[in-house]
Amino acid sequence: AQSVTQLGSHVSVSEGALVLLRCNYSSSVPPYLFWYVQYPNQGLQLLLKYTSAATLVKGINGFEAEFKKSETSFHLTKPSAHMSDAAEYFCAVSDLTADGLTFGKGTHLIIQP
Amino acid sequence: NAGVTQTPKFQVLKTGQSMTLQCAQDMNHEYMSWYRQDPGMGLRLIHYSVGAGITDQGEVPNGYNVSRSTTEDFPLRLLSAAPSQTSVYFCASRLRAGQVFGNTIYFGEGSWLTVV
Repeated sequence: AQSVTQLGSHVSVSEGALVLLRCNYSSSVPPYLFWYVQYPNQGLQLLLKYTSAATLVKGINGFEAEFKKSETSFHLTKPSAHMSDAAEYFCAVSDLTADGLTFGKGTHLIIQP
Repeated sequence: NAGVTQTPKFQVLKTGQSMTLQCAQDMNHEYMSWYRQDPGMGLRLIHYSVGAGITDQGEVPNGYNVSRSTTEDFPLRLLSAAPSQTSVYFCASRLRAGQVFGNTIYFGEGSWLTVV
């Protein structure tokens, strides 16, 4: 069965600083990986997804993630944090055998002025 | 295009009451699902459906029933609410079942349920 581990339930960065949210996965088959963002009192919005086409995936709002098979990781980064990036971020994995997504527990991103 | 619509957005129930969370999508999607979100737990799959008339259990199905009589609608029923079912519920859909690749998953805006 697949699983996702997000390191750090809360991450705090200063405005303008690098954002790094960590995600490690476990999957018995080549994975499809996703990052979602959830703003307060809203549903989940897809940031980006990895589907084996390219290891470096660019998403919306300046975010990107790199798939590293050797490290079973799919960390999310953004070069310069903005106050509007404050939200909950979820990493998720799916595979060809499941009809759903397995989500990590989420990382709450806090942006300090 | 309304996407995935969930109602109600907020609900307070007493223990033992029943209720139905409604979910409708207007994108002719085959696949629909329900998740619950709890603090520190992420999202967990409750039930899913790969098409009209077909439903299956996810990770945490106990205490919930679903049906899929039409392609558009996928209601989630709580037959006898318990405080442990206090949570935020999300409905989601995608075009095809079993094909996550190339299929964007669309989420509703969530239903906040409190059981007292």
